[in-house]
Amino acid sequence: QKEVEQNSGPLSVPEGAIASLNCTYSDRGSQSFFWYRQYSGKSPELIMFIYSNGDKEDGRFTAQLNKASQYVSLLIRDSQPSDSATYLCAPGGGADGLTFGKGTHLIIQP
Amino acid sequence: GAVVSQHPSWVICKSGTSVKIECRSLDFQATTMFWYRQFPKQSLMLMATSNEGSKATYEQGVEKDKFLINHASLTLSTLTVTSAHPEDSSFYICSARGSGLNTDTQYFGPGTRLTVL
Repeated sequence: QKEVEQNSGPLSVPEGAIASLNCTYSDRGSQSFFWYRQYSGKSPELIMFIYSNGDKEDGRFTAQLNKASQYVSLLIRDSQPSDSATYLCAPGGGADGLTFGKGTHLIIQP
Repeated sequence: GAVVSQHPSWVICKSGTSVKIECRSLDFQATTMFWYRQFPKQSLMLMATSNEGSKATYEQGVEKDKFLINHASLTLSTLTVTSAHPEDSSFYICSARGSGLNTDTQYFGPGTRLTVL
């Protein structure tokens, strides 16, 4: 059974600072990893996906993957109040549905 | 691109009635669609996977006779909650992945909030 662990938070970060979100997963066979953002009462929206070990940057977001440690993280630079949401980590994809962690509730303090 | 719609966005029904939820991929062909359910304060849980023209594959603990899934075309999947009861009240979200896009990525619809009285 695939398991995904995330610190549920809330994680409080001052505006303009770097928010760091972490995720560990149990399935060593997972090849792709997704970060979704979910605002309260809304469906998830894709932030980033990453396949290879190392860093992947997209604007203010950087995903980091370490397959040996079964660890994936998301950094948000220059955090904005609009980044306040729940961030969901999900290994998987392909033919399978996604197994989501419980999500980290991020609060950006103005 | 990669837009997924759902209809209705919310529905309130009486206990014992059936409710149909539609999921459409608007600008791509969805070879696979997924149905998730999210209860308050919890994460999304996969209910079933459907491939166009095939029977859906249900996750353990999800009753296939209660949650009927039809994926008759490459742009439309439907979920019918039969004989709904208050415990079926939840946020139902579909996602789709398909050809012409990053085939590992799932794009989510806006969700349907079901309330059973």
